[in-house]
Amino acid sequence: DAGVIQSPRHEVTEMGQEVTLRCKPISGHDYLFWYRQTMMRGLELLIYFNNNVPIDDSGMPEDRFSAKMPNASFSTLKIQPSEPRDSAVYFCASSLWGGPNTEAFFGQGTRLTVV
Amino acid sequence: QQQVKQSPQSLIVQKGGISIINCAYENTAFDYFPWYQQFPGKGPALLIAIRPDVSEKKEGRFTISFNKSAKQFSLHIMDSQPGDSATYFCAASMYRGNKLVFGAGTILRVKS
Repeated sequence: DAGVIQSPRHEVTEMGQEVTLRCKPISGHDYLFWYRQTMMRGLELLIYFNNNVPIDDSGMPEDRFSAKMPNASFSTLKIQPSEPRDSAVYFCASSLWGGPNTEAFFGQGTRLTVV
Repeated sequence: QQQVKQSPQSLIVQKGGISIINCAYENTAFDYFPWYQQFPGKGPALLIAIRPDVSEKKEGRFTISFNKSAKQFSLHIMDSQPGDSATYFCAASMYRGNKLVFGAGTILRVKS
């Protein structure tokens, strides 16, 4: 398996524009997570899905952020409208709940810059 | 109660030395404690993990020590190598849900 695949790797956009980040989890994994990484706040969990259903979105910072998982092999994180403070690296991760030592596999991330 | 506190923020160690990173948690419902390693431009990757029913776990040069009563756990890297230079994150989760809460990270630099 190619691992968790995120696109694009880099995104530069102007303030106010809509941004869509994409993620393809590892085939067969039933959990999908979106994290945001910044120098100030570290790795923050934004939202996670189990079997395509959003379970906990308490980490989503504002209504400008939304996430969907229309099927088991694809998820999107959308920011509309984007703001400079949204600049960060966004990671998608997936895991298979198989017991107490479940590992989360991370993608390479999308570096978002909002100017 | 969801926080995981990690220290130090950064660490410089000589090649061959021991690197020690510490973490503390508050939520006693946590029962899975992994450490992740992240290289620049890459996503975090699982390094080693421990459950609270054991006090120590060793994998090669990497050891987790766990103190349940103190709600603390630490990562020890023996014989540290320049290739170990990376950012290390401790994390915690509850058995059901897989929702990982991460520490702030420690930037490790091993000098050759």
